[in-house]
Amino acid sequence: SQKIEQNSEALNIQEGKTATLTCNYTNYSPAYLQWYRQDPGRGPVFLLLIRENEKEKRKERLKVTFDTTLKQSLFHITASQPADSATYLCALDDNYGQNFVFGPGTRLSVLP
Amino acid sequence: EAGVAQSPRYKIIEKRQSVAFWCNPISGHATLYWYQQILGQGPKLLIQFQNNGVVDDSQLPKDRFSAERLKGVDSTLKIQPAKLEDSAVYLCASSPSRGGTDTQYFGPGTRLTVL
Repeated sequence: SQKIEQNSEALNIQEGKTATLTCNYTNYSPAYLQWYRQDPGRGPVFLLLIRENEKEKRKERLKVTFDTTLKQSLFHITASQPADSATYLCALDDNYGQNFVFGPGTRLSVLP
Repeated sequence: EAGVAQSPRYKIIEKRQSVAFWCNPISGHATLYWYQQILGQGPKLLIQFQNNGVVDDSQLPKDRFSAERLKGVDSTLKIQPAKLEDSAVYLCASSPSRGGTDTQYFGPGTRLTVL
């Protein structure tokens, strides 16, 4: 069956450290993978998109990798800050926009 | 640029009652999505419109849920009759066109509680 998993429900790290979140998928062949941030009581906000032929994408303190062999994406936040505390969702596009699926999310807490 | 608007923000109803949610997407966005997000889970796509046509409604429980997008702009999602398990946040999103490279812009959601 098709499945998207994100490493853990919650992740606590110390301010200044690098947070690494994982997204694993089974029985999908995504052309693209996106990462979103969701704060309590709000809708998700787009952060980064990575295509299947891209290994890595960066935006300021954010970095995303995509390994289609391992069927995994890693999302890194360097020099993390308490303001980075939120739930992070990965989402993949299976079949070029016909089937857009979100993972369950990882709740990140950056402790001062 | 105004974002995606949704109303109401909160709704509490008894089971077996009906409820409707409204969404106004970003102006000019062709694609509109309705998602259901149960507490602690990621959003689940219910229905996707391209202009005023349905692209995907495979996960919409059609015996009780219906949605329309008249004139390819605003959209309404209706539940009739509601069940306890429908308690969730209903998110509307829009994107300029259809496809996986498009960023989806989400509204704040409507939190539905079914008692």
